[in-house]
Amino acid sequence: EVQLVQSGGGLVKPGGSLRLSCAASGFTFSDAWMNWVRQAPGKGLEWVGRIKSKTDGGTTDYAAPVKGRFSISRDDSKNTLYLQMNSLKTGDTAVFYCTTGPSSVAGTDYWGQGTLVTVSS
Amino acid sequence: DIQMTQSPSSLSASVGDRVTITCQASQDISNYLDWYQKKPGKAPKLLIYDASKLETGVPSKFSGSGSGTDFTFTISSLQPEDIATYYCQQYDSLPLTFGGGTKVEIK
Repeated sequence: EVQLVQSGGGLVKPGGSLRLSCAASGFTFSDAWMNWVRQAPGKGLEWVGRIKSKTDGGTTDYAAPVKGRFSISRDDSKNTLYLQMNSLKTGDTAVFYCTTGPSSVAGTDYWGQGTLVTVSS
Repeated sequence: DIQMTQSPSSLSASVGDRVTITCQASQDISNYLDWYQKKPGKAPKLLIYDASKLETGVPSKFSGSGSGTDFTFTISSLQPEDIATYYCQQYDSLPLTFGGGTKVEIK
C-alpha cells in the first residue's frame, strides 16, 4: 500500500522557519518526481514546488511566491521528502500536501494527509 | 504562466442531475489536464488525468473531455457523496496551475 505520511507542521511567527517532512512507502520513491501543493484557508489549491528524481537530475522548481524562501530536498535513503520554509509570512498560512502527481500513468497519483502551517504573531 | 479559468465557481443541482464544469487554459496545453475532487479536511483525489482518462478505481459517472484550451468535466448523475469542490490543473508547463475551483452542492 502506498503511503505518504507528513509531519512537521505547526505555529510559527512571521520571519520564522519550519521544515515539513513527507515519508513515503509502497513505491520506488527514488524514481518519483515529488511536488508540494498548499491550500490557504478558504482558498484554492496552489502549487508550491517540485523536485525531480536524482536519475533525472534532482533539480528543483518553485512557484514565484516562495522562490528564494522555500527549499525542497529529498533523502532517497530514508524515502523522505522535505520542504524547508524560511522567512515565513502570514500569507503562507495553509495546509501543505506532498504529492507524487501529476502523472500520465494511471494509479500513480498519491497525496499525503496534509499538514497545517500557521504563521502568526 | 498559464492561467486556468474554471466555471462556474459554484453550482447547486439535484440528486440525479448531470453536472458540467468547464476549464479554459490561457494557452494550448494539449491534453495535460487533471481534474481533482477536494473535500474539506481531505487530500485532493485525482478523478481524470490527461484530460479524458479515468483514474484507477474512479466511478465511470465522472468523465472529462477536451484538448488545447477548452476542457469539460461531467458528473453524469449527481449523488450526495459527490458534494465537494472540483479543480482542474494543467501540467503542460511550470508553474503548475489550478483553476479556481467549483463548489458543487445539492439543491
